[in-house]
Amino acid sequence: AQTVTQSQPEMSVQEAETVTLSCTYDTSESDYYLFWYKQPPSRQMILVIRQEAYKQQNATENRFSVNFQKAAKSFSLKISDSQLGDAAMYFCAYRIAIYSGNTPLVFGKGTRLSVIA
Amino acid sequence: NAGVTQTPKFRILKIGQSMTLQCAQDMNHNYMYWYRQDPGMGLKLIYYSVGAGITDKGEVPNGYNVSRSTTEDFPLRLELAAPSQTSVYFCASSYSSGPANYGYTFGSGTRLTVV
Repeated sequence: AQTVTQSQPEMSVQEAETVTLSCTYDTSESDYYLFWYKQPPSRQMILVIRQEAYKQQNATENRFSVNFQKAAKSFSLKISDSQLGDAAMYFCAYRIAIYSGNTPLVFGKGTRLSVIA
Repeated sequence: NAGVTQTPKFRILKIGQSMTLQCAQDMNHNYMYWYRQDPGMGLKLIYYSVGAGITDKGEVPNGYNVSRSTTEDFPLRLELAAPSQTSVYFCASSYSSGPANYGYTFGSGTRLTVV
């Protein structure tokens, strides 16, 4: 079974600084997708960034970028120029890629990020 | 375009009562999912559906039932509620084809307390 591990239950960062959230996963599959979701206090789940395993280039979305290390099965999220609005729970998630159709997401336990003004 | 709509947003149940959590999406997504979120535990899959009339168990299906009579709706039924079912429940949907690396569209969740 696939598992996703987030080893940092809580993290904090000063406003305007950079923080990295860690995620590792366990799988025997070679083709899959990885995601980071943000959950603010409103409870809404918001997709932050996604990465296809077959792509070597790390995904980037504005201030958010990932460090994808396929051999190490590591998928960390870097938030640059942190803002107060970045404070939230962040979930790493994994999904097997199949030729057609879809597969359920497997989530890590989350990392709660606090941003200090 | 409402996306994924969950009702109710909050509910308190007594032990042994039953209820149905409603979920509807208007994006013509074939795939729909139910997750529960417990503090410090992330989201765990309860049931999912790949289309009308087709459902399958996830990681934690015990105590729940689902049905999928239409593409739009995917209700989750709790029979004989227990305190262990106190949680936040999320419904989500996704495409079945096209850009398969898309994530899900989530509802806003239902906070359920069983007392």
